[in-house]
Amino acid sequence: KQEVTQIPAALSVPEGENLVLNCSFTDSAIYNLQWFRQDPGKGLTSLLLIQSSQREQTSGRLNASLDKSSGRSTLYIAASQPGDSATYLCAVRHPSGTYKYIFGTGTRLKVLA
Amino acid sequence: EAGVTQFPSHSVIEKGQTVTLRCDPISGHDNLYWYRRVMGKEIKFLLHFVKESKQDESGMPNNRFLAERTGGTYSTLKVQPAELEDSGVYFCASSRKTVSGNTIYFGEGSWLTVV
Repeated sequence: KQEVTQIPAALSVPEGENLVLNCSFTDSAIYNLQWFRQDPGKGLTSLLLIQSSQREQTSGRLNASLDKSSGRSTLYIAASQPGDSATYLCAVRHPSGTYKYIFGTGTRLKVLA
Repeated sequence: EAGVTQFPSHSVIEKGQTVTLRCDPISGHDNLYWYRRVMGKEIKFLLHFVKESKQDESGMPNNRFLAERTGGTYSTLKVQPAELEDSGVYFCASSRKTVSGNTIYFGEGSWLTVV
C-alpha cells in the first residue's frame, strides 16, 4: 500500500532563503508525481508534474526532483518570498491505470518578511 | 476559462440529514474526481469519472455516499444520512482526456460540518 510522507510538517524561514521540501513514498512504482500548493481556505494548485521517466521539472523559482528508486522527491524554492507562504502537498499516481493520487499530509510553509 | 467550481462552499447540517455537493468541471475535461480531507488527515481519493462512467470508486467510504455525473458534465456527491465523521473538505478536480500525465485542476472545496 502506497504511503506518502512529507517532512517537515511545518517550516518558517526568513524572506530570501532557499529552501527544500521533502516528499517520500513507499512504493517506487509510480506513474507520476505532482506538487501542489494550497492557500488557506482555497483549493489546490498544481505547481509541477514529474513523469516517472523524468528526473526534474522547473518552473520559475521552483524546481522539483524525483528519485524513483529511492522513493523521494524534493521541491526546491529559490529566493523565498512572503507570497510563497502556503501548504505544499505532494501526490503520487500509481501506474496501474487508475488516475487516483495518493497525497502526503503537506508541509505548511511560512516565509517571514 | 472558468476553473472547477463547487457548490456550496460551506455547509453545516445535523447528523442524519442529507447534503448534496455539486461540482462543475472545466469545460472539455472528461475526467472528474472527488477527494476529501477530514480533520488532521491527508487528502484521500473518493472516485473518478470518465465522462458519465465511474472509472474507479474504490475510495468511497460506504453506501451513504452516492456520486453521479449525468450527461458527463457536472457531478453531484450526496451524503445520506450524514454522520459526524463525514465532516471535512470535499474537493472536486478535473483533467483532460490525455493519459500521459494530466495536470489536474482542483476546485476550492466544499466545507462540510456535521453537528
